[in-house]
Amino acid sequence: RKEVEQDPGPFNVPEGATVAFNCTYSNSASQSFFWYRQDCRKEPKLLMSVYSSGNEDGRFTAQLNRASQYISLLIRDSKLSDSATYLCVVNPLGNGYGNKLVFGAGTILRVKS
Amino acid sequence: DGGITQSPKYLFRKEGQNVTLSCEQNLNHDAMYWYRQDPGQGLRLIYYSQIVNDFQKGDIAEGYSVSREKKESFPLTVTSAQKNPTAFYLCASTDRDGNQPQHFGDGTRLSIL
Repeated sequence: RKEVEQDPGPFNVPEGATVAFNCTYSNSASQSFFWYRQDCRKEPKLLMSVYSSGNEDGRFTAQLNRASQYISLLIRDSKLSDSATYLCVVNPLGNGYGNKLVFGAGTILRVKS
Repeated sequence: DGGITQSPKYLFRKEGQNVTLSCEQNLNHDAMYWYRQDPGQGLRLIYYSQIVNDFQKGDIAEGYSVSREKKESFPLTVTSAQKNPTAFYLCASTDRDGNQPQHFGDGTRLSIL
């Protein structure tokens, strides 16, 4: 089982739609979680940190479910500019690697007009 | 502005040649990382350094070498032993606190001539 797993998509949604992605992680000792956004041929950029029970920033909401070991990202009122790859990132502090982050392979979102 | 600078943006390697990718940060971060990304795939960790004069192998260190003589700089050498070097190389940095996200440079695209 991969340490961090994501549905690769693509998720094709119309403008204005609500879309949600899930990400599962295997290390139950993981302490911190992040969502990054990566545009085509660009570097990943931090979208949100998810530290405890969840986080909200405008149209974006991230949730953490420790019991089931997954985090989710909800995007409301999708914009064309939201089209990107969304990376789920986990800090598995329990494996002794300090702040070595583990990246999921990403979920592709395409928002269409 | 504080940030991470990678250079060059594009690099071409000849057969049997070693090439060095530069990464400099002025964020006063202790930890620095090198990742490789292949088309349609996630980030894979090559090497990381949590403090000056110390570095650790990541998941795909073979054919690569690094040094960390200064806090601000973490150059990556792609040696001739790396038989498939064509990829997008990303440098990142963060505070040593494992709960902090990583910040990325804008990457170097390496191709074989």
